[in-house]
Amino acid sequence: RKEVEQDPGPFNVPEGATVAFNCTYSNSASQSFFWYRQDCRKEPKLLMSVYSSGNEDGRFTAQLNRASQYISLLIRDSKLSDSATYLCVVNPGQGGTYKYIFGTGTRLKVLA
Amino acid sequence: SAVISQKPSRDICQRGTSLTIQCQVDSQVTMMFWYRQQPGQSLTLIATANQGSEATYESGFVIDKFPISRPNLTFSTLTVSNMSPEDSSIYLCSDLTGGLGNEQFFGPGTRLTVL
Repeated sequence: RKEVEQDPGPFNVPEGATVAFNCTYSNSASQSFFWYRQDCRKEPKLLMSVYSSGNEDGRFTAQLNRASQYISLLIRDSKLSDSATYLCVVNPGQGGTYKYIFGTGTRLKVLA
Repeated sequence: SAVISQKPSRDICQRGTSLTIQCQVDSQVTMMFWYRQQPGQSLTLIATANQGSEATYESGFVIDKFPISRPNLTFSTLTVSNMSPEDSSIYLCSDLTGGLGNEQFFGPGTRLTVL
């Protein structure tokens, strides 16, 4: 089983739609969780950290379910500019390390 | 977040040669990392660059192949040695903000093609 798993997509959605991505992780002791966005031929950029209580930033909502070991990202009112690959990232955080483990990414295409 | 730059942005190299990639951060950071992103794949951590000591390598990566330097808190280099076509990849450095969430921020990457 991969340490971090994501549905690779692509998710093709019309503008204005709501879309949700899930990501599962295998290490129950993982400490930190993030969503990154990566545009084609660009570096990953931090979209959101994911907190235990869930957090929202404008049209984006991230949630963490420790019991089921998954995190989710919800995008409301999708824009064309949201088209990108969304990377789920987990930091096991054991032994004082800051190692990031990346999922393979979920491609999102928002269609006009 | 600190601004991170990398040089070169891209290169095409012959097999058997070596390439050194530079990563410069515009402020002092506690930790720096080197990642590889192979075509169509996600990022894999190569090593943690430790200031003043040897880098910490992940499983599958060795110092002889990927020597790393970090002479101060704003600069690091990664060398890809004795290159083969399988080393064609994007190499990215990142830094750790040290904030509550331990977020990492990435440089723009170096796109390497080995012929």
